[in-house]
Amino acid sequence: KQEVTQIPAALSVPEGENLVLNCSFTDSAIYNLQWFRQDPGKGLTSLLLIQSSQREQTSGRLNASLDKSSGRSTLYIAASQPGDSATYLCAVRTPYSGAGSYQLTFGKGTKLSVIP
Amino acid sequence: DGGITQSPKYLFRKEGQNVTLSCEQNLNHDAMYWYRQDPGQGLRLIYYSQIVNDFQKGDIAEGYSVSREKKESFPLTVTSAQKNPTAFYLCASRGTGFSEQYFGPGTRLTVT
Repeated sequence: KQEVTQIPAALSVPEGENLVLNCSFTDSAIYNLQWFRQDPGKGLTSLLLIQSSQREQTSGRLNASLDKSSGRSTLYIAASQPGDSATYLCAVRTPYSGAGSYQLTFGKGTKLSVIP
Repeated sequence: DGGITQSPKYLFRKEGQNVTLSCEQNLNHDAMYWYRQDPGQGLRLIYYSQIVNDFQKGDIAEGYSVSREKKESFPLTVTSAQKNPTAFYLCASRGTGFSEQYFGPGTRLTVT
């Protein structure tokens, strides 16, 4: 059964710092990996989608990498801002996750606080 | 604007009552999903539907029911059989292939 882990559970950084969020998964047979952002009391906002054949994706100050063989992904945030404060979740889509075929398995997220 | 809407944002019910949560999408997506989110836990899949008139149980379907009569709509009913219904419920949809999954704004259900 696929398991997704995000460490640390919480992270606090000063404004302007570059930072890396980590995501690891146990089964490397994935179709893709998706990073989301969630603000308190809100739904999930999709940030980046990396297909299994890709090594990285970029959007603005965000860069996500994928190393399928080692079961790892990182989300790099450049020049962090207070508005980046949120919980960041990663999810992998696998052939069978227990919940059904082709479903996303989510990590529990990393809560990021960017201090002005 | 294209997107997923969920209503209501907040819902309060007495124990023993069934309640239906609405989810509508105008993204022309075939697949739709319902998740439950509890503090300190990851998202858990309740039900999903790959196509109209078809749906499958997820990890935690007990005490819930769904229907998919229209492509745009995937309502979730929380029945009185659900032992711990108080939670944040999220609806999602996805297009064809292994494309991005999008989420609605969520409904917070409180049962007392």
